[in-house]
Amino acid sequence: DTGVSQDPRHKITKRGQNVTFRCDPISEHNRLYWYRQTLGQGPEFLTYFQNEAQLEKSRLLSDRFSAERPKGSFSTLEIQRTEQGDSAMYLCASSLETGGYQETQYFGPGTRLLVL
Amino acid sequence: AQKVTQAQTEISVVEKEDVTLDCVYETRDTTYYLFWYKQPPSGELVFLIRRNSFDEQNEISGRYSWNFQKSTSSFNFTITASQVVDSAVYFCALSEHFGNEKLTFGTGTRLTIIP
Repeated sequence: DTGVSQDPRHKITKRGQNVTFRCDPISEHNRLYWYRQTLGQGPEFLTYFQNEAQLEKSRLLSDRFSAERPKGSFSTLEIQRTEQGDSAMYLCASSLETGGYQETQYFGPGTRLLVL
Repeated sequence: AQKVTQAQTEISVVEKEDVTLDCVYETRDTTYYLFWYKQPPSGELVFLIRRNSFDEQNEISGRYSWNFQKSTSSFNFTITASQVVDSAVYFCALSEHFGNEKLTFGTGTRLTIIP
């Protein structure tokens, strides 16, 4: 059973450019989460999906950020017009929710973004 | 609002020593979960343990043990006979039982095991 995978692992971009990250969850996991982690801090919740529905977005997620999970499988996180403050590790996690009971969230290796 | 505090920013111990990482949490929920994750230099968060608020039994897994005390809102993690491979950043996290069940993390404790 493969774990959560993320692509790319590293991304360097210039300010103002758009970037897109991909997350492939553990197969059959119906919940998918995005977190952001800056240096010296713990991960912070950005958004999550139950199947293909995006159910909550943190106020950390500005209008420049958009996430999708078409068909309830992989997810993409796009940042438009990147700013230097967007530099961080973007982590994806997945879990299985059945009948109101959620299993543990398992994390991918993350995508480290550097905006120059 | 939920909050997790890991007051120890960095800890260094000599190999084979025991070390305890502290975690204090705040929540208004009566049902919640507590977690510990390990983040080695590679960056991937590795799940270690999950505990629900109704289970205050201490748990031991090999050299790892966890002490959950609701009376002091603490969920401390002890590594016995530490090894160099234990060097990592350790995060304590909290999630509510219902709803989005997002994880609220502490700021982490960087543990360095000196050979």
